[in-house]
Amino acid sequence: DIVMTQSPHSLSVSLGERATINCKSSQSVLYTSNNWNYLCWYQQKPGQPPKLLISWASTRESGVPDRFSGSGSGTDFTLTISSLQVEDVAVYYCQQYYTTPHTFGQGTKLEIK
Amino acid sequence: QVQLVQSGAEVKNPGASVKISCKASGYTFTSYAIQWARQAPGQGLEWMGWINAGNGNTRYSQNFQGRVTITRDSSASTAYMELTSLRSEDTAVYYCARDNNGGNGAYNLWGQGTRVTVSS
Repeated sequence: DIVMTQSPHSLSVSLGERATINCKSSQSVLYTSNNWNYLCWYQQKPGQPPKLLISWASTRESGVPDRFSGSGSGTDFTLTISSLQVEDVAVYYCQQYYTTPHTFGQGTKLEIK
Repeated sequence: QVQLVQSGAEVKNPGASVKISCKASGYTFTSYAIQWARQAPGQGLEWMGWINAGNGNTRYSQNFQGRVTITRDSSASTAYMELTSLRSEDTAVYYCARDNNGGNGAYNLWGQGTRVTVSS
């Protein structure tokens, strides 16, 4: 199984500042035939299901604010929130869908400092 | 509208089984895959398994040691997840989710979740 390791486990950032969350996979999730990374990011707020923010490592879903961006390739990925807003307080998860089981990272809890 | 609606909360005794449904609407059910994941209280997401709603092919996490079975009824646009030999550690919210690329993508449509409580 591919192990997904997120860091940090929790993060406190001031409003308007940048938040950065990392996700590392135990093996590459880059499919070389199409050069796509099978890695996505979710946001989960209490009492709600996860919401897909970014797929293919860097493609923002429709309606997701452009302060959210994804980057990375192969085994190392980053979710960046360029200017933290109150509504961004949540737990963030990465997931690989390169091969089953489609494993999740353990989550990063983002709070306001 | 495009949505997944899951069945209601369940309370089960240890050793029992639970079967949760996930009814799709607003899109062609057989054109996508559905995953099942769960979240124990205060914990992260755990992937359980996946079904290609078109051909019925399934994949499971070995963490469940054969206790999970995922099926679908295409005529009813519904997927099902059955978990057997329940124990207290199976207490969780269970989610279904649809992929966004014909069985080969991330999961952009989620059900509302079904809470399963295992207690004697």
